[in-house]
Amino acid sequence: DTEVTQTPKHLVMGMTNKKSLKCEQHMGHRAMYWYKQKAKKPPELMFVYSYEKLSINESVPSRFSPECPNSSLLNLHLHALQPEDSALYLCASSQESGVYNEQFFGPGTRLTVL
Amino acid sequence: GESVGLHLPTLSVQEGDNSIINCAYSNSASDYFIWYKQESGKGPQFIIDIRSNMDKRQGQRVTVLLNKTVKHLSLQIAATQPGDSAVYFCAENMYQTGANNLFFGTGTRLTVIP
Repeated sequence: DTEVTQTPKHLVMGMTNKKSLKCEQHMGHRAMYWYKQKAKKPPELMFVYSYEKLSINESVPSRFSPECPNSSLLNLHLHALQPEDSALYLCASSQESGVYNEQFFGPGTRLTVL
Repeated sequence: GESVGLHLPTLSVQEGDNSIINCAYSNSASDYFIWYKQESGKGPQFIIDIRSNMDKRQGQRVTVLLNKTVKHLSLQIAATQPGDSAVYFCAENMYQTGANNLFFGTGTRLTVIP
């Protein structure tokens, strides 16, 4: 299995809702990442988990809460989002978190906040 | 292929011609670079990578050139095909404490004219 899967594909939520995005990989990778991508822009790193521990938080607002329950799963919990948070949320994984480790990306979750 | 303002740079080529996509990177300490292809509605897909101790690397129909003196990368696609139409991102890898951090360039939209 050489893919990263993400669910749901699309999500529409109100500003008072709580929802979660899910990411899964079965490649035995020990590093997992969340990126945010706005339309016509490059992906921007949000969080990095290495061996199930949060190692990078790129100053992301607390309304985004990541969780890594085990080495294959990565969640992103969403609460009290703003319309400007609407974007494509991408998950990626790599063998390790060091340099020269190719990151494999999932297809993303398209999030719309009303 | 470099970004000017907020617009995504574009490149249109005739099917069968060669394509060259350029990218400037920012950090002279970056030592690993990756080209990704992103088709509409999908996550970025790895194309080719290069380490900073190399000037050139070839794959199947693709070649990446690295000029560290001027901090410039290029991606050459030979005999461009309609399936090559996508947005292409270069990414530079910087290793922060504990984890791998990819910084993506602005991207270039390649359109192949049949």
